[in-house]
Amino acid sequence: QVQLQESGPGLVKPSETLSLTCIVSGYSISSGYYWGWIRQPPGKGLEWIGNIYHSGSTYYNPSLKSRLNISMDTSKNQFSLRLSSVTAADTAMYYCARVRGSSGSYFDPWGQGTLVTVSS
Amino acid sequence: EIVLTQSPGTLSLSPGERATLSCRASQSVGSSYITWYQQKTGQAPRLLIYGAYNTATGIPDRFSGSGSGTDFTLTISRVEPEDFAVYYCQQYSSSPSITFGQGTRLE
Repeated sequence: QVQLQESGPGLVKPSETLSLTCIVSGYSISSGYYWGWIRQPPGKGLEWIGNIYHSGSTYYNPSLKSRLNISMDTSKNQFSLRLSSVTAADTAMYYCARVRGSSGSYFDPWGQGTLVTVSS
Repeated sequence: EIVLTQSPGTLSLSPGERATLSCRASQSVGSSYITWYQQKTGQAPRLLIYGAYNTATGIPDRFSGSGSGTDFTLTISRVEPEDFAVYYCQQYSSSPSITFGQGTRLE
């Protein structure tokens, strides 16, 4: 059974870089699937951030692309998110998830999420 | 970018009633690429329906999905107390691009 767990700082200062890691258990991420990040500002809806394929290829939400980097470390069975130049608008619950379906079209399962607050 | 508009924003029903949730896309979406999630307060979203009408593993058969083109529907045949939550639709399209609807709260 695949399980995902997000980890990283809960507080990031404006203009700095937000860094999160998703640790995957129960499946080797190098074996297949896309792996993705989604966020949810407090009290609001879901926003897709980006996905990474097991081969390492990535695709990003165009609205975040200029500040975003998603990478994977197969030796640790984890993938990571880095979002630079953060502002208060980046405050959100951040979820990682496995991406399933043809072409990588839906998310299942999800991690429990980690809340990141951008504030000085 | 394909915009998904969900209606109604809030749906007020009693247990045992039928729930019909709508998701309308700004342009045609392949049926293989429409997904529905349920999110309860303080929890991560949970996959309900993928490919517009395929029920995910472990999801009760009172949940069903339908639709094509730009109009998709999630139906709960008889609402149970544990079904009160927020429901999101999501689409995948080439580019690739993934977007979510704004959600429908079932209360």
